[in-house]
Amino acid sequence: GDSVTQMEGPVTLSEEAFLTINCTYTATGYPSLFWYVQYPGEGLQLLLKATKADDKGSNKGFEATYRKETTSFHLEKGSVQVSDSAVYFCAPNFGNEKLTFGTGTRLTIIP
Amino acid sequence: GAGVSQSPSNKVTEKGKDVELRCDPISGHTALYWYRQSLGQGLEFLIYFQGNSAPDKSGLPSDRFSAERTGGSVSTLTIQRTQQEDSAVYLCASSSTAKNIQYFGAGTRLSVL
Repeated sequence: GDSVTQMEGPVTLSEEAFLTINCTYTATGYPSLFWYVQYPGEGLQLLLKATKADDKGSNKGFEATYRKETTSFHLEKGSVQVSDSAVYFCAPNFGNEKLTFGTGTRLTIIP
Repeated sequence: GAGVSQSPSNKVTEKGKDVELRCDPISGHTALYWYRQSLGQGLEFLIYFQGNSAPDKSGLPSDRFSAERTGGSVSTLTIQRTQQEDSAVYLCASSSTAKNIQYFGAGTRLSVL
């Protein structure tokens, strides 16, 4: 069946480090792909999305590219900031209207 | 309103009591979703409403859980005879159509003692 696998956390990085959070999926079709972020004490917010192969979603310096050949949607940022500390969720929509969330990756950035 | 509104923000109840959680979606959004976020299970889908169609209840964990959406707007999630394992944050989301971006409320944190 359709599923998503997300890199387990927690992840701790120094400020200005490069970030990658891996996300892969298994699907019978072609899902829309989303990354959501949950900042401390706040609700879930959409970070970025991609709806078809080779699309690149980007926002706040974060990027993720829809890779059909590797069924992946890895989240990257070239230089993280303390304010990026949050929990990140990979969330495909497999076409049945609801989001399927990964386990979440807690990111902590140290000054 | 400007965003999805959920109430109450926190709810503490005793085991066996019934609780009602409310969600006000973004005005004009036809699709409404309920999810649950718990330590053991992560973020999981509960139920989905789209316009006047029959809701997708496939994620409800037991028959103690039910939800309704009145007038295509406000939704209420009801948990009967609450159990300690129901303790979680209940999240509501809405979108302008079924395939669009889902916007989430801040959630209701339910604690069952």
